[in-house]
This record gives sequence, C-alpha cells and structure tokens, in this order.
Amino acid sequence: SQTIHQWPATLVQPVGSPLSLECTVEGTSNPNLYWYRQAAGRGLQLLFYSVGIGQISSEVPQNLSASRPQDRQFILSSKKLLLSDSGFYLCAWTAGTGDEKLFFGSGTQLSVL
Amino acid sequence: GENVEQHPSTLSVQEGDSAVIKCTYSDSASNYFPWYKQELGKGPQLIIDIRSNVGEKKDQRIAVTLNKTAKHFSLHITETQPEDSAVYFCAAIKGRGTYKYIFGTGTRLKVLA
Repeated sequence: SQTIHQWPATLVQPVGSPLSLECTVEGTSNPNLYWYRQAAGRGLQLLFYSVGIGQISSEVPQNLSASRPQDRQFILSSKKLLLSDSGFYLCAWTAGTGDEKLFFGSGTQLSVL
Repeated sequence: GENVEQHPSTLSVQEGDSAVIKCTYSDSASNYFPWYKQELGKGPQLIIDIRSNVGEKKDQRIAVTLNKTAKHFSLHITETQPEDSAVYFCAAIKGRGTYKYIFGTGTRLKVLA
C-alpha cells in the first residue's frame, strides 16, 4: 500500500533562518506531488505541485521554493524565513495514472519567531 | 475559475444526532467531489468521495449527495459520535490531469456527549 512520510512534525525557526521540509511517498511510481499551507483555523492553500522529477509549478508568489530531486521525494525550502511563513505545511500526492484521489501527509507545524 | 463555498463554518450537534455540511461549486465542468476530515494537528484524511455520474454514495454512517443541476453537494453523518468531532473540508476538481483541488473553507463539527 502507499504511504506518505513528512518530517519534521514540528519546527520552530528564527526569522531569517533557512528551511527545509521533506516529504517522501512509498508504494507508488511517478506520483503527482503537492505542497499546501494551512494558516491557523484557515483553509488549504496550494503552494506548489509537481508532475515529475525537476518539474515544479508554483501557485502563489512567495518566499518559498520547492524541488523534486527524486521521483518520490518533494522538498520545500526557504533561504530566509519570514514571520508570515508560519503555518501548517502539508505534503500530498495523487497517482500519476490520473486517479483523482488526493492523500495528505501528517503535516509540519512551522513557527517562525 | 472554480470557487467552492462551504456552510456552516461551525456546527454543534448532540451525540446520536445527524450532521449535514453543504458545499456549492461554481464550475459546471467539475466532476469529482471528495470530503476530508482533519483532526487537530493532523493532515486531512479522505473519508468519502463522489463522481458526477453518481447522485449519492454511502459508507456506513457517512453519505454524500450530489445535485449537479444546483451545483451543490452535501456530507451527511448519522448517529454522530464524539470521535466525529473534527474539521471537515469539501473539494471540487474537474477531470483527470487537473491538479488544482479547490477546497471549501472548512466546517468545525463538535459532537456534544
């Protein structure tokens, strides 16, 4: 069966520090991968999605970037964090076969202080 | 573009009663409608979904209904239990290969024991 791993679960970072969040999917090949952000008590905002290695689409202009160095690995990064980057970050995947079902990871709670 | 409105934003019910959450979408080409349950500090979990060629789908105590003419779909939870307390999100997408899930703003359901 397919599983998605996301880490760390919580992270407290000072303003101006770098960020790297990692997500991996197991049990499937060529998945579509997504990064979402959820502000406290708010909905889900799509940040990036990827349909293949090295292919990244950005949905909103921001202080963050994403990379997909391997088929089942998706990384969210920042060179210098802002206070406004605080939030709950979720990695998600859909099968590359076109199945619409979207599955989320367990999330990373990022607090920028 | 697609827009999904979700109501109510909060819902409190007595244990054993039914809960209904409603979503309305704007793009008539949307054809897949999932529902997610998110517990505190966790990623959203897919609980049920429906495609546009089906009017109703049921899985034990939860059911989803779709009215394509009116462009709305609803989540029904019967015999609610305290563990049903969570935030519920609806979403809509159109077609395979479309990667932009449009989520509703969420409903916080509280089941009172």
